[in-house]
Amino acid sequence: DAGITQSPRYKITETGRQVTLMCHQTWSHSYMFWYRQDLGHGLRLIYYSAAADITDKGEVPDGYVVSRSKTENFPLTLESATRSQTSVYFCASSESLVGSYEQYFGPGTRLTVT
Amino acid sequence: AQKITQTQPGMFVQEKEAVTLDCTYDTSDQSYGLFWYKQPSSGEMIFLIYQGSYDEQNATEGRYSLNFQKARKSANLVISASQLGDSAMYFCAMRERSGYSSASKIIFGSGTRLSIRP
Repeated sequence: DAGITQSPRYKITETGRQVTLMCHQTWSHSYMFWYRQDLGHGLRLIYYSAAADITDKGEVPDGYVVSRSKTENFPLTLESATRSQTSVYFCASSESLVGSYEQYFGPGTRLTVT
Repeated sequence: AQKITQTQPGMFVQEKEAVTLDCTYDTSDQSYGLFWYKQPSSGEMIFLIYQGSYDEQNATEGRYSLNFQKARKSANLVISASQLGDSAMYFCAMRERSGYSSASKIIFGSGTRLSIRP
């Protein structure tokens, strides 16, 4: 299916475990982003990537790791999950960061850390 | 540092009325872009409208328009003739710096929950 997909859609994990959230887009967009959404905070940028093998920190990167070996994939790993990382995670992609090019969002992953 | 402020956590509006959702921003850059997204209860993020900092005209997309007041650093979303399906969270967002820099990124406000009454 064309578009941007995330997996899993729902995940429950225990404190201290490693968990990886997957993001895949079929448009070959250069730019990809990871956000977390928490009540009262809107969306906060965790990491973003301008191209394969180019990543940079966003507003709240601590406790997260990303990689981008292929243009279409941008996995987000929580190396040792904590309860404060319970959130809804959105992946997004964009063709360009110039002009009116908007970000296209995936459906989100609801992560609960117990 | 760039910042987006949405001061209305929630709003109730009667169906068919117009509604204005407030958004103010703070940036030291001259070149930036402003976006509005809608998030219905199903959770997906839907792009609504874009305004560039150098655009002289206010952006419009169907029933959506953006009231851009650059000197006041505000970018309010106006929805005309509201419908029940407009009930959702609405996020204002800003992209700062030249798009050619990998440091360019988009930040979001905390959102406004709009509820349309029949």
